[in-house]
Amino acid sequence: GQQLNQSPQSMFIQEGEDVSMNCTSSSIFNTWLWYKQDPGEGPVLLIALYKAGELTSNGRLTAQFGITRKDSFLNISASIPSDVGIYFCAGQPYSGGSNYKLTFGKGTLLTVNP
Amino acid sequence: NAGVTQTPKFQVLKTGQSMTLQCAQDMNHEYMSWYRQDPGMGLRLIHYSVGAGITDQGEVPNGYNVSRSTTEDFPLRLLSAAPSQTSVYFCASRTGRQPQHFGDGTRLSIL
Repeated sequence: GQQLNQSPQSMFIQEGEDVSMNCTSSSIFNTWLWYKQDPGEGPVLLIALYKAGELTSNGRLTAQFGITRKDSFLNISASIPSDVGIYFCAGQPYSGGSNYKLTFGKGTLLTVNP
Repeated sequence: NAGVTQTPKFQVLKTGQSMTLQCAQDMNHEYMSWYRQDPGMGLRLIHYSVGAGITDQGEVPNGYNVSRSTTEDFPLRLLSAAPSQTSVYFCASRTGRQPQHFGDGTRLSIL
C-alpha cells in the first residue's frame, strides 16, 4: 500500500524558533492535508493543499504541495508554547471520486520550551 | 471539532465483552470512517463508508464491524473485545474532496 514518511518524528525547540517538517510519498497524491492534534483531542485541520506547487499560509503556518506531487512540507514561524502537539500530514490519491482513503504520516511531536 | 460527535469518551471493558462506539455527524457528509491511533503508529483506517448502506474495510478491520443505515450515523462494533484493541478511536467525515473532520475520540481500554 501507499506509504507516507513524515519527518522528523519529534522536535524539541525554544520558543521563538522556526520549525519545519515534511512528508514524502512513494506515489502521487492529489491532495495534501496538514492536521494538528492537541493532547486528548482529535486532529484539527490546519491547511489543505489541492494543486502541485501550491503554497498556502494560515497565520504563522505555511505549507507547500510539492511539484512532483510526492511531497509536502509545513513550516511554523516564531513558535509559541501553544504550538505544542502532534502534527500529521495526510495525502489523498486522485480517484475520480470513488477512492476515499487518506494515507496518514505517523506524526511529528513538537515540544516548545518557553 | 464541531459536527462529528463520538460517544462515549472513555470506556473500560473486560476481554470478551462487546460494545458499540457511536459516531454521528450533522453535516450531511457522505463519507465516514473509523481510525484507531496507537503510539508510534499514527492513524490507521479500520472501516469506511461512502454512503448509507455502503461500507468497506480499511487497513486494520479484523475484530470490528460497522454498518451505515443512515447518512448521519456510523457505529463501530467490537464483538469480543481483546487487549490488542486498547486504543484511541477516531471517527471522521467529509464530503467530496473536502478535508476530513474528526471527532474528539473514544479512549478504550480492554483489561
